[in-house]
Amino acid sequence: GAVVSQHPSWVICKSGTSVKIECRSLDFQATTMFWYRQFPKQSLMLMATSNEGSKATYEQGVEKDKFLINHASLTLSTLTVTSAHPEDSSFYICSARGKNEKLFFGSGTQLSVL
Amino acid sequence: QQQVKQSPQSLIVQKGGISIINCAYENTAFDYFPWYQQFPGKGPALLIAIRPDVSEKKEGRFTISFNKSAKQFSLHIMDSQPGDSATYFCAASYGFNKFYFGSGTKLNVKP
Repeated sequence: GAVVSQHPSWVICKSGTSVKIECRSLDFQATTMFWYRQFPKQSLMLMATSNEGSKATYEQGVEKDKFLINHASLTLSTLTVTSAHPEDSSFYICSARGKNEKLFFGSGTQLSVL
Repeated sequence: QQQVKQSPQSLIVQKGGISIINCAYENTAFDYFPWYQQFPGKGPALLIAIRPDVSEKKEGRFTISFNKSAKQFSLHIMDSQPGDSATYFCAASYGFNKFYFGSGTKLNVKP
């Protein structure tokens, strides 16, 4: 099956620093990738849709200047949490639309901001 | 407005029993209904999915029942096993542009 690799799996950072999360589709090209945020015991909340070669589309309420998304190639999208604060601590998950339009998820990144 | 409503929030089933999770949606434009399984600290994994032109799809112990007129669909796990203990999410999409997820059901299968 299609594989989506997300890195790092967990990160701890100090308040005010920036953190970059990578999402790679390993065995297929993904023109569209999605970034989700998940709080403990809650559902996945779509943050933004990342399209290769164009600007990401952000969901209402998501700060585009805080959550920078870059989809530079057909296999890589990155999410940068800028000037992270404790309230940004969460589980971030990427997904990529693969063959037959199925959605494949990365393993997630647990971000803890101290 | 929540696009997909999922119930129950949690479910306890004995080993060998049937686990049933229900979802309801509002938008009749949805044309793809997947179920995902998520283990703690991991991303969701596609379990099974259905299109609205069929009423049932079965893959191994997992079955989706779809009721288009009622705008409801459900996941049935037959012969539930402790290894099935996870959180299950239903979702709905139209045109594969956006996926809307239910609130999740935490399933605990007791030995």
